[in-house]
Amino acid sequence: AQKVTQAQTEISVVEKEDVTLDCVYETRDTTYYLFWYKQPPSGELVFLIRRNSFDEQNEISGRYSWNFQKSTSSFNFTITASQVVDSAVYFCALSEWDGQNFVFGPGTRLSVLP
Amino acid sequence: SAVISQKPSRDICQRGTSLTIQCQVDSQVTMMFWYRQQPGQSLTLIATANQGSEATYESGFVIDKFPISRPNLTFSTLTVSNMSPEDSSIYLCSVARTEAFFGQGTRLTVV
Repeated sequence: AQKVTQAQTEISVVEKEDVTLDCVYETRDTTYYLFWYKQPPSGELVFLIRRNSFDEQNEISGRYSWNFQKSTSSFNFTITASQVVDSAVYFCALSEWDGQNFVFGPGTRLSVLP
Repeated sequence: SAVISQKPSRDICQRGTSLTIQCQVDSQVTMMFWYRQQPGQSLTLIATANQGSEATYESGFVIDKFPISRPNLTFSTLTVSNMSPEDSSIYLCSVARTEAFFGQGTRLTVV
């Protein structure tokens, strides 16, 4: 069975600090996809990144970076120089095949204080 | 990508009544998904809706409580029936391409 764990329920940082959100997953499939979504207070889900199981290359997009390590079944998300607008709930998710049968983690609520 | 329009965006309903949520996609899709997000919780899949066939419900969700329609490849509805305060949640529809796209959600409060 698939499972996604986000051990950090809530994190608070002061603006400009770096913060890492942890994600650990479980799956028996050799082909799978990992995602991060952001849910700001307004409630919509914003897609941040998709990574397939064959691509362990880390990715950087502006202040965001992702560290995918199959050896530890982790897909961690780092925000550099955090800003107040980064305050949101962040969900890590896993799908068995492209874009379907999603399993979401419990989410991490990030509060960035001015 | 996909643009999903969901309505209503929010509603306050009396217990015992039903609410139908509509989801419109800007392109044809085979499967549409309905999720529930209870307060402070993660997303839980309610059912998968295929055009022309019965929806497939996840464990813990039944058709009598959450009937779904899928009349064509761009539209679906989810009805929350005989509501109780425990049904107060955000309900989201979703389609999948390379990633899952979500509607804006329907914030339902049952009083």
